[in-house]
Amino acid sequence: EIVLTQSPATLSLSPGERATLSCRASQSVSSYLAWYQQKPGQAPRLLIYDASNRATGIPARFSGSGSGTDFTLTISSLEPEDFAVYYCQQRSNWPFLFTFGPGTKVDIK
Amino acid sequence: QVQLVESGGGVVQPGGSLRLSCAASGFTFSSYGMHWVRQAPGKGLEWVAFIRYDGSNKYYADSVKGRFTISRDNSKNTLYLQMNSLRAEDTAVYYCAKDPTGEEYYFDYWGQGTLVTVSS
Repeated sequence: EIVLTQSPATLSLSPGERATLSCRASQSVSSYLAWYQQKPGQAPRLLIYDASNRATGIPARFSGSGSGTDFTLTISSLEPEDFAVYYCQQRSNWPFLFTFGPGTKVDIK
Repeated sequence: QVQLVESGGGVVQPGGSLRLSCAASGFTFSSYGMHWVRQAPGKGLEWVAFIRYDGSNKYYADSVKGRFTISRDNSKNTLYLQMNSLRAEDTAVYYCAKDPTGEEYYFDYWGQGTLVTVSS
């Protein structure tokens, strides 16, 4: 089973600053990694798929990179609405299951 | 636009049963795989189950295998989760989520969730 680790657990930044979030897989997932944003009381929203492709309607300030075991989500300049929890996610084929990282909370400094 | 609306949550005693529904609209439901994902209060996301577009393949997390059953009715554009032998640790918001193609590895749309509380 592939385990995803996210760091840091919490990132305290100010609006306008750059956010860099990390996701590490216990074994290679190629580029099959997605990122989600979740705000309090809301469902998760897909941000990035295939490690670097922005989902429909996602602003260009969000970008993803990486392959294999190390991935990064970057928010180039934080907007007030970007303060939320971010999860990475992948699927393993054997066993067939989907796993999420524990999340990184981006809060206002 | 894509809409997923869950229903059926509530309070149930340990050992009890509950059936969740997810009504889909805005896309051709019968062409896409569907998932259930849950989130315990204050915790992270946990995938629960997946069903292929035609219902031919189903997969479950170990934590629910043998107790939960995912199904779908493509004529009613509805996804279901039958939950039996419920435990306190099943308490969570349950989301239905759509697969972007047939059997992808991620989820492109999510419902707003329905809360299941298992308590005596």
